[in-house]
Amino acid sequence: GAVVSQHPSWVICKSGTSVKIECRSLDFQATTMFWYRQFPKQSLMLMATSNEGSKATYEQGVEKDKFLINHASLTLSTLTVTSAHPEDSSFYICSASRANTNNEQFFGPGTRLTVL
Amino acid sequence: GQQLNQSPQSMFIQEGEDVSMNCTSSSIFNTWLWYKQDPGEGPVLLIALYKAGELTSNGRLTAQFGITRKDSFLNISASIPSDVGIYFCAGQFSPGTASKLTFGTGTRLQVTL
Repeated sequence: GAVVSQHPSWVICKSGTSVKIECRSLDFQATTMFWYRQFPKQSLMLMATSNEGSKATYEQGVEKDKFLINHASLTLSTLTVTSAHPEDSSFYICSASRANTNNEQFFGPGTRLTVL
Repeated sequence: GQQLNQSPQSMFIQEGEDVSMNCTSSSIFNTWLWYKQDPGEGPVLLIALYKAGELTSNGRLTAQFGITRKDSFLNISASIPSDVGIYFCAGQFSPGTASKLTFGTGTRLQVTL
């Protein structure tokens, strides 16, 4: 149990376009979902925390108007990178946590975004 | 954002050798976690530690939660080729509800035959 999926697994887009990444908890209801960004050979950096039905909480330095997060249900969160630029190219990873599991986060497989 | 300091940054070892890596923080956590990440994939949880001083094993892996709550180490015994990957520590301070993780800088492990 506790499987998290992401779609797409990779995406290439032109500069200036918007890209949506989905994160789904397949076999549990996620009370909270997290979005991370990982640049090559670097660690995971938390971008934002989202709870179902409420606005996401963004980390310092992350533009909320550029990285739109929607957590419409207990099994789905989406991250939209608006007006993407080459510097947004990165590996985006989501995680989901559920109640009564010692706050454990279950990670998705990641989405590789390349902006040309 | 904050990152935890991990050392060593990378290591090359021979199959069968033991490996040790550690993680330090300037602030305390009440949960320490160790993850392994393979290229192009998300991190996978290896060991979770919930109490200062706790020593926990998972097969060939052993991890300890430092008494000061500001550090942790991970040992891998008798390494094998599939141990190759990047190991991350993560600290969590969670007063009851789901809370964010702060990741370490990572230790890249390569195992030679």
